[in-house]
Order: sequence, then structure tokens, then C-alpha cells
Amino acid sequence: KAGVTQTPRYLIKTRGQQVTLSCSPISGHRSVSWYQQTPGQGLQFLFEYFSETQRNKGNFPGRFSGRQFSNSRSEMNVSTLELGDSALYLCASSLSGEFGYEQYFGPGTRLTVT
Amino acid sequence: DAKTTQPTSMDCAEGRAANLPCNHSTISGNEYVYWYRQIHSQGPQYIIHGLKNNETNEMASLIITEDRKSSTLILPHATLRDTAVYYCIVRLYGGSQGNLIFGKGTKLSVKP
Repeated sequence: KAGVTQTPRYLIKTRGQQVTLSCSPISGHRSVSWYQQTPGQGLQFLFEYFSETQRNKGNFPGRFSGRQFSNSRSEMNVSTLELGDSALYLCASSLSGEFGYEQYFGPGTRLTVT
Repeated sequence: DAKTTQPTSMDCAEGRAANLPCNHSTISGNEYVYWYRQIHSQGPQYIIHGLKNNETNEMASLIITEDRKSSTLILPHATLRDTAVYYCIVRLYGGSQGNLIFGKGTKLSVKP
């Protein structure tokens, strides 16, 4: 079974621009979660989608948004980029998001904001 | 905030067992203990999880104390490829708990 894929793997953007990252979950997985990882803050939860609905949300500003499509693929968008948004963005999928179902992570998208 | 406490770093000799401790003294009865690891520049990898009984899979063993206030992840024969940051996470039972709360983890260095 193919793992979680994320595109693009690397991205360089300028302050004020917006960016869209894509995640394809493992086939059959319906839950997709997004995380941000920075050296200072570590791994932080952004949001989770299940059946095209946002089910959980972390403590991030509204500039961070996401969506999930009917095939479970997900995108996250960051508008008005700031230098502090430079990070590794990780996507994880699981069968349902409920307990007992482990999350499988993709390789991440490395975003650099200049 | 993370509900777990782990040592910042540990060393282990290649071929020996690596025992990674985790304290979760405020764990509630319906919370599971999960372990993930992250090899440099890769996404975290699920290792194992458990509620109260000891668990074993092809990667590791998880020993949870009877009072559930602490646990130990055991890698029976550590290899250089096991060098990674290991995260111990507690997670609620049931419901739509899609998110994991990661702490700082333990940086395990396996040395030849």
C-alpha cells in the first residue's frame, strides 16, 4: 500500500504571498491531520479533517485553513505568509481518527518564507 | 501542553536494548499511551500503543506500570537506524481525537 504523499516537498515563498500544500492519504483512510514543526515550537497540531468536515482545530490564526475532498485528499492553505511560517508541514492519515487507529505521517513539505 | 515527561537525550550501544522511559503521572483511565519516533527530516513514525497491558510488536515492546503513571519503550536490539527522537504521547479514548500532542521527546543516539 502506498504511504502518505505530500506535494510539493520543498517550497520557497515571499512574505505576504499565499501557499497551498497538498496531501494524499493512504488508500481507505478517511481522516487527515495537519501539523506544523519548527525548531522552537516542535510539532504542533493544525487541524483534522474527516469526511470533508473539519473535526478538530489547533490554536493557529485564521490565515491557516484547509479542506478535504470527497476522495479524502486534503489541502492546506496559508495566506499572507510571515517569516515565522517557515516550517516543516506534516500531514498524517488514519482510518478514522478515533482511538486505537494510529496516524501515518507523510514526509512533509518544507516551506521557507523569505 | 504535553502530559508526558521524557529525558532529553539517551545513548545506547548498537545491539543492546534501548529502554526509553516516560512519565505520565496525570494520565486518566481512558487515555492510551502512544509512542512515535522521528528520524531526522522525516515524518514521525508510529511505533506502538497500549492502555494498561504490556504490548509487543515487530518494532518494540511497551511496558506500562500497574498504576499507569509511567511506561517504558523497549527496542530489544538497537541499530544505528534507530537513532531518532522518540515521542511518548497520551491520547483520549474514543471520540474524534484526531490530533496528537507532541512534547519534546527523547533524542536516542545509537552508537557503534
